[in-house]
Amino acid sequence: DQQVKQNSPSLSVQEGRISILNCDYTNSMFDYFLWYKKYPAEGPTFLISISSIKDKNEDGRFTVFLNKSAKHLSLHIVPSQPGDSAVYFCAAAGFQKLVFGTGTRLLVSP
Amino acid sequence: NAGVMQNPRHLVRRRGQEARLRCSPMKGHSHVYWYRQLPEEGLKFMVYLQKENIIDESGMPKERFSAEFPKEGPSILRIQQVVRGDSAAYFCASSPSTGGSHGEKLFFGSGTQLSVL
Repeated sequence: DQQVKQNSPSLSVQEGRISILNCDYTNSMFDYFLWYKKYPAEGPTFLISISSIKDKNEDGRFTVFLNKSAKHLSLHIVPSQPGDSAVYFCAAAGFQKLVFGTGTRLLVSP
Repeated sequence: NAGVMQNPRHLVRRRGQEARLRCSPMKGHSHVYWYRQLPEEGLKFMVYLQKENIIDESGMPKERFSAEFPKEGPSILRIQQVVRGDSAAYFCASSPSTGGSHGEKLFFGSGTQLSVL
């Protein structure tokens, strides 16, 4: 039972354009959502989070949007840079642990 | 301030052998989580431990897998009689309190890549 879904396994964008990564969840009990970034042969690193009582959180080039009624969140990266190329995991917090999606591989080309 | 330390980085075992994966949490963190990433899949929760206690092992296979976090020393994930299907990247994460509550994020180690021949 996949409670957190990232339906796009990969995304390619050009440098300077916007990257939009999407995530859907099924359990309305989740109260925090986080995005992690992962480079090959490294562990995931925290990027940005949002509480379920908010609908937007911004940190520099990164903005996360939450639509509770649709059980959907998205991560916007603008402008995208080649160094942003990585796998991005969406995670939902609940029941004393994080539940992760399957990840989206972002490739930003110069 | 050292991050989460996992060792070994790579571990090769033959079928039927035992694998021991170690994790030292960040200083001051008393909550440890183990996740597994199979090829082309996401991170799957395995177990959540606090010092000397297993809090949630709902993601652990019922047989051959065990985990501990003793009062002194690192957390250990132990896999007995490994099979090829155990080949994966195993990540440990730590947090100062319950991961995810009030936005508490987890800090991950670099992982142990287990290869079963």
